[in-house]
Order: sequence, then structure tokens, then C-alpha cells
Amino acid sequence: DAGVIQSPRHEVTEMGQEVTLRCKPISGHNSLFWYRQTMMRGLELLIYFNNNVPIDDSGMPEDRFSAKMPNASFSTLKIQPSEPRDSAVYFCASRLFDRENSPLHFGNGTRLTVT
Amino acid sequence: GENVEQHPSTLSVQEGDSAVIKCTYSDSASNYFPWYKQELGKRPQLIIDIRSNVGEKKDQRIAVTLNKTAKHFSLHITETQPEDSAVYFCAASISDYKLSFGAGTTVTVRA
Repeated sequence: DAGVIQSPRHEVTEMGQEVTLRCKPISGHNSLFWYRQTMMRGLELLIYFNNNVPIDDSGMPEDRFSAKMPNASFSTLKIQPSEPRDSAVYFCASRLFDRENSPLHFGNGTRLTVT
Repeated sequence: GENVEQHPSTLSVQEGDSAVIKCTYSDSASNYFPWYKQELGKRPQLIIDIRSNVGEKKDQRIAVTLNKTAKHFSLHITETQPEDSAVYFCAASISDYKLSFGAGTTVTVRA
């Protein structure tokens, strides 16, 4: 299995531009998560999908952030318009949700820099 | 919601010595406690996990202990090696989706 695949690995953009991050979860996993990692705030859960349905988006910082999961094998996180404080590493992660809390697998992340 | 505190924030050990990282959690309903290792510039990777029906689990040089009464769990790394240098995160969750992560411990193993 190729694991969780994220693209792009790096994104540099100017303030005000739209940014779209992409994620392909592990095949067969039915739960998908978007995390943001910064030195100041650590790992923050932004949004969680179960069976393609957003369950909890309470971590999404502002209306500028939106996420979609049109099917079981693809998700996007969009920031519009982007701001310098959005600079961070964004991780997508997936797992098979069952009764026994199966492990969470992370992608390699997208390092976003907004200038 | 669940609040996980992790200590210390940084840890420097001599190669061959042991390293111990401690975490506490707030929600007594939490029943799953994974540990992740993140090397510089890479993704967090699961190294060991423990469920609430077990008090201790070991995998080669890594062990995790859980004290449900005190609501704390610890990671123990024995015979540390330079490749153990990384940031380690603890996490806790109840039987749903949300993992709450600690702030991380930067471990440096001195050769």
C-alpha cells in the first residue's frame, strides 16, 4: 500500500491567493482527517470525515477554510483567501473506524508558505 | 473535550541510556493511547499503542505503561540510539474518532 498520499509537498503562494491541498487516503479506510502543525500550536485537528461525510469541523479556524470529500478516495482542503498566518504543515491522515480504534496513518504533509 | 499534557518538552540523553516521556489525560473515558514519532521534516508515525484493558505493552526497546486510576501513561525507550532522536507525541481518545495530541517531546540522543 502506498499509504496516505498528499499533494503538493510544498506550496508557496502570495497572500490573498487560493490554495488547494489534496489527499488520497489509504484504500479501504473510511475515516479521514486534516491536521495543521505549527511550532506554536502543535498538531491541531481541523476537520474529520467519516464515510465521506464531515462529522466535526469545529477545528476549522475561519470561513476561509473549507474541506470536501467527494468520494472515498479523495479529499481537498481549500484556503481562500490565504494569509501569512496560514503558513504551516498540513497533514492528511486516515484510518479504518471500528470499535477498536485502529491506528491513524499520516501522509507526508504539505508545507504551505504564504508570503 | 480531552486535554493531554506531555512532559518534558525536551529531553537530552546519552546514547545507551533510557528515555522516559510522561503524559496525563483529563477524560476518564479515554481508552486508546498511541505514541507517534516524528523525525525532522517527516510525518508522524505510530510506534506503539496501548488500550485501556492493558497496563503495559512492550516492543523491543520501546515500552508503554498506563495507569488509568491516575490518568497517566508513559513511553520508555531503553538503550537509546542516535536514530531515536525525534519528536515524540502522545495521544488519547475515547471510542470515537478524535485523537487529542500532546504538545510533543523533542528527544536528542548524544553520541
